[in-house]
Amino acid sequence: DAGITQSPRHKVTETGTPVTLRCHQTENHRYMYWYRQDPGHGLRLIHYSYGVKDTDKGEVSDGYSVSRSKTEDFLLTLESATSSQTSVYFCAISESNEQFFGPGTRLTVL
Amino acid sequence: SQQGEEDPQALSIQEGENATMNCSYKTSINNLQWYRQNSGRGLVHLILIRSNEREKHSGRLRVTLDTSKKSSSLLITASRAADTASYFCATDGGDYKLSFGAGTTVTVRA
Repeated sequence: DAGITQSPRHKVTETGTPVTLRCHQTENHRYMYWYRQDPGHGLRLIHYSYGVKDTDKGEVSDGYSVSRSKTEDFLLTLESATSSQTSVYFCAISESNEQFFGPGTRLTVL
Repeated sequence: SQQGEEDPQALSIQEGENATMNCSYKTSINNLQWYRQNSGRGLVHLILIRSNEREKHSGRLRVTLDTSKKSSSLLITASRAADTASYFCATDGGDYKLSFGAGTTVTVRA
């Protein structure tokens, strides 16, 4: 998976609790992305980063925040999880055009 | 909203047959990419075609791009059971962000 790991791989949580997902890369790529994948929607971009401490919103950013304090780590936080955030979350990295994806995190919010 | 839309949503073919899927998009692009996703896994990059290219080949894959019609097609020749997967087109508007379609699910029957 091109030196990308995601943790945890599976998580079940309750509505209203905070959740942090971690993406770690060993490729030293500049760009990092968080997507969510839901049936019938393909992948939708949540947030992305173009460098340490440089982040921006994607098309479905409401309810999510991110941080990137080191090149290798990109964190996605759900401040107060809701059932609508039940999804599979993918991290991706890129240095130019092609993106490399992590294995995904399956999050269930009860 | 998503930029790309794949057609058909699902495709079932016999091993050895060709599989063709199409992608339409709405705004101008820098390049268009195709990705494959096996069940439960992250996406894998297959091929990239730039806006000034009309056709590109990679092994058993053939991609065409018609920017006047804002459409692309992916042809998989001589399909194998291992080609069973979901296929996504993704458009790059030149800002290092990709917009994905909802995907085509391909099933190759033995």
